[in-house]
Amino acid sequence: QSVLTQPPSASGTPGQRVTISCSGSSSNIGINVVDWYQQLPGTAPKLLIYSNNQRPSGVPDRFSGSKSGTSASLAISGLQSEDEADYYCAVWDDSLNGWVFGGGTKLTVL
Amino acid sequence: EVQLVESGGGLVKPGGSLRLSCAASGFTFRTYTMNWVRQAPGKGLEWVSSISSNSAYIYYADSLKGRFTISRDNAKNSLYLQMNSLRAEDTAVYYCARDPATPQPEYFDYWGQGALVTVSS
Repeated sequence: QSVLTQPPSASGTPGQRVTISCSGSSSNIGINVVDWYQQLPGTAPKLLIYSNNQRPSGVPDRFSGSKSGTSASLAISGLQSEDEADYYCAVWDDSLNGWVFGGGTKLTVL
Repeated sequence: EVQLVESGGGLVKPGGSLRLSCAASGFTFRTYTMNWVRQAPGKGLEWVSSISSNSAYIYYADSLKGRFTISRDNAKNSLYLQMNSLRAEDTAVYYCARDPATPQPEYFDYWGQGALVTVSS
């Protein structure tokens, strides 16, 4: 199992707001910044959010991130069909001296 | 345009070896930390290894137990992953990914398209 815990699935209807959680510990999320990746079917992952809440150029402002203590969240507002993908949180772990990923959350747009 | 292109994947028998390469272009390769991340079929992402810009800092996932070696050639703008004693559970798509790491690990801002490694008899 993954060091970071994400719900395996999430869903919403077009236009809705959904959130995906990512739970870690004091050696990772508690002391380092969290990144989020979106992986569309059959493609490589894409950076969605970095440094807890920063969006790379080109990422719509419908996507936002936050962090509190040893947990982080990704929020998607105004859900669209093209948002259907797998979402992963990631953070550097100071105890493991390596990156750790969440198990991934499959988002379904109903 | 930043491009990362993996090569060297394929079918290998258990216990065998394989060397992956990642050719980088469109950016100053020698100034970035580089990583390998893998994804087993139908599974999530798993970080494999990281190498700093000047190869001074190298890290591996504990699960690899010394079987993999990461390296880079800044003169050739290339990243490598030597994989030995391969097991069925190493079957995965292997991605190379760039990290600005200024100097702490930051994020993976660019990814290659991936190279499939299949370990099977």
